[in-house]
Amino acid sequence: AQSVTQLGSHVSVSEGALVLLRCNYSSSVPPYLFWYVQYPNQGLQLLLKYTSAATLVKGINGFEAEFKKSETSFHLTKPSAHMSDAAEYFCAVSAPGLDSNYQLIWGAGTKLIIKP
Amino acid sequence: EAQVTQNPRYLITVTGKKLTVTCSQNMNHEYMSWYRQDPGLGLRQIYYSMNVEVTDKGDVPEGYKVSRKEKRNFPLILESPSPNQTSLYFCASTSRGYSNTEAFFGQGTRLTVV
Repeated sequence: AQSVTQLGSHVSVSEGALVLLRCNYSSSVPPYLFWYVQYPNQGLQLLLKYTSAATLVKGINGFEAEFKKSETSFHLTKPSAHMSDAAEYFCAVSAPGLDSNYQLIWGAGTKLIIKP
Repeated sequence: EAQVTQNPRYLITVTGKKLTVTCSQNMNHEYMSWYRQDPGLGLRQIYYSMNVEVTDKGDVPEGYKVSRKEKRNFPLILESPSPNQTSLYFCASTSRGYSNTEAFFGQGTRLTVV
């Protein structure tokens, strides 16, 4: 069965510091992988996705993620944090379920806190 | 503008009083779904629909109903709400099942059942 693990329910970084949010997945088939961001009192929006093309994926707002098959990881990074990056980030994997229909499996989320 | 619209955004109700949360999308998407979000649990799928008149249970369907009579609308019905259904609910749509396509989310409905 597919699953997603996000390490750390809260991550705190200083403004200007590197952001690293960790995501590990398990999947019996090559997955599609996503990062979504949820700003306060808003819905989720797509940050970036991996769909078996380039392993380094660039997204919006300066974020990027690298797919590492050997480590079953898809960590999200940003070189320099900005106050506006404070939000909750969700990693998700898309893979076929028992009925062959694709379904999104979600991590528990990581709340990113930016210190001034 | 492409969007998924949920109403209401906030709702406080009493145990057992039937309620409906509406969801509408303007992107002509076939696939729609409902999630609930609870702290530490991420998003859990309640129901999904692959097209008009085609719905199926997700991971946590107990206590919920849905219908899909038109492509654009996918209401969530709680016939007898209970306090354990207090949660943040999201409707989402995508063009052809999740695979590698982006899901579009509504703004969310925060439901409190007392």
